[in-house]
Amino acid sequence: GQSLEQPSEVTAVEGAIVQINCTYQTSGFYGLSWYQQHDGGAPTFLSYNALDGLEETGRFSSFLSRSDSYGYLLLQELQMKDSASYFCASRRGGGKLIFGQGTELSVKP
Amino acid sequence: EAGVAQSPRYKIIEKRQSVAFWCNPISGHATLYWYQQILGQGPKLLIQFQNNGVVDDSQLPKDRFSAERLKGVDSTLKIQPAKLEDSAVYLCASSLDPELSNEQFFGPGTRLTVL
Repeated sequence: GQSLEQPSEVTAVEGAIVQINCTYQTSGFYGLSWYQQHDGGAPTFLSYNALDGLEETGRFSSFLSRSDSYGYLLLQELQMKDSASYFCASRRGGGKLIFGQGTELSVKP
Repeated sequence: EAGVAQSPRYKIIEKRQSVAFWCNPISGHATLYWYQQILGQGPKLLIQFQNNGVVDDSQLPKDRFSAERLKGVDSTLKIQPAKLEDSAVYLCASSLDPELSNEQFFGPGTRLTVL
């Protein structure tokens, strides 16, 4: 199978921490990517995990557990500009990406 | 560094008409992707090129969709004839050789409305 599961929407307040979970099918799996997409905008790359563990990039971190077929994106010190859709994507051979349906994050003041 | 360029940004057509989209990837990027993104969903890969060769077109509806990447740089995606369900944003992305980089760079997309 090729599906990925992530929550459809999450709401949080400014300054808070939010975690967006993603589960994936293991067939042909190389690693897990995360992309951010603002309304009407292009998806932009946030992170990639090929190995188990946590990758940190500024306020954003991404985690992968291959044994659990599970990953998450952690956003800290939330800002209004973080309101966007976040997609997990399974990387396959040749660089092919299979995207999840996306999680719409709303950050409230 | 210039990003991925796409045109047109918007297109409205009647069903059964034809339409073509153009993409200019980031200079030096060997790999080019076309995605279809229906409202409220994630991007779905239609076709992947490595230089001017097709790597994956398993999800491309070949009875109506075609794509080419002559000279391994620019690419065009064509729909002929269009159906109502083709209404979506068509995103072009490029990357260095996937063996060297995991990041894909996306263009702004073409929003297609089929009436």
